[in-house]
Amino acid sequence: ETGVTQSPTHLIKTRGQQVTLRCSSQSGHNTVSWYQQALGQGPQFIFQYYREEENGRGNFPPRFSGLQFPNYSSELNVNALELDDSALYLCASTGTGTSGVGELFFGEGSRLTVL
Amino acid sequence: TQLLEQSPQFLSIQEGENLTVYCNSSSVFSSLQWYRQEPGEGPVLLVTVVTGGEVKKLKRLTFQFGDARKDSSLHITAAQPGDTGLYLCAALVGSQGNLIFGKGTKLSVKP
Repeated sequence: ETGVTQSPTHLIKTRGQQVTLRCSSQSGHNTVSWYQQALGQGPQFIFQYYREEENGRGNFPPRFSGLQFPNYSSELNVNALELDDSALYLCASTGTGTSGVGELFFGEGSRLTVL
Repeated sequence: TQLLEQSPQFLSIQEGENLTVYCNSSSVFSSLQWYRQEPGEGPVLLVTVVTGGEVKKLKRLTFQFGDARKDSSLHITAAQPGDTGLYLCAALVGSQGNLIFGKGTKLSVKP
């Protein structure tokens, strides 16, 4: 079983630039979520994709956008980067655990630094 | 706004000690999850608790869900250096299962 993989692992951008982060979901998982984790904080929900459609969104501006592809892989795009966008971006795919509750399987994240 | 408050924020202990970390909210949740995150990695799910008063054990880790389903605790017995990491509690909100997380407890276990 292949886990969640993300790329790139680290990247540095300057203010105003655009970035695309990529995620391959765990085999068999059709739901992908993206989270932003600032230093010293817990992850914050950005949005979720299910069968190529956005299926829920957190409190993030429209310059955060995403895509999901037919193979369930996903992209997170951020336009007009700001310094506060510096964070670890985590992708997670959703499976159903033995408790019957959705369980998230996270990738290792993409560390974005905005200068 | 639903918030999860975790305490303590930081904890540094010696190998062999016991510890408890807490996750509290004013909201009622249908379930709570605990994750551990190590530096440079994504969070890894440890447990899901779904029933008020439920206690789950995972080796030296004991998780409890409060009777009112507003709070949870994680107790570690005889901590080891391998337990070092950021412990996050999280709750499912929304119909499609997006999570809200607490800020976490950063645990350091010294040999």
